[in-house]
Amino acid sequence: AQSVTQLDSHVSVSEGTPVLLRCNYSSSYSPSLFWYVQHPNKGLQLLLKYTSAATLVKGINGFEAEFKKSETSFHLTKPSAHMSDAAEYFCVVNTSGYSTLTFGKGTMLLVSP
Amino acid sequence: NAGVTQTPKFRVLKTGQSMTLLCAQDMNHEYMYWYRQDPGMGLRLIHYSVGEGTTAKGEVPDGYNVSRLKKQNFLLGLESAAPSQTSVYFCASSYSSQGTTLMEQYFGPGTRLTVT
Repeated sequence: AQSVTQLDSHVSVSEGTPVLLRCNYSSSYSPSLFWYVQHPNKGLQLLLKYTSAATLVKGINGFEAEFKKSETSFHLTKPSAHMSDAAEYFCVVNTSGYSTLTFGKGTMLLVSP
Repeated sequence: NAGVTQTPKFRVLKTGQSMTLLCAQDMNHEYMYWYRQDPGMGLRLIHYSVGEGTTAKGEVPDGYNVSRLKKQNFLLGLESAAPSQTSVYFCASSYSSQGTTLMEQYFGPGTRLTVT
């Protein structure tokens, strides 16, 4: 079985401050993990993915995520938020052998000036 | 490359009407998926296909049917629309698994469906 929990439905930050979006997963074996971003009225875009190589994964637009097996976590971070980062973010898991992804319920990131 | 395209972009149906959503991809992907997105629910898988001529049920398949007659197209049908099917529908595609790793999915822009 596979599941993912995004711990915050909304996160508010000020422009220029760090961003932390939290994600915990459950997977029976060898997970692949992804973060997607969705801007208002748009489709989903891949930010980054972990597939059992380096545990610290760098993505687009300055985002990165660290895979921590002992904590079953895959939190998304960015050192300095930009107004254009305001969007909804989805943490996604796939378990080895499964043909499908399981999505978290999403975290809305709000960035204020 | 157009990537993943969906038609139509918007549609309003009356209860009981039928319609078909079309998804097309030009990346030669083997796998294709249909999701629905509702506020606070994330994306939920309706049906998927791991190859031409094959389909499988996802998490929320009731009230929907699908067909994959050509590798590049994946159709989602609603035979008798209900207000509970008001949602945004996304199609996605991906390469097949590389070893034991599922490749990332590429998403279309979505179809906003309202059933009154």
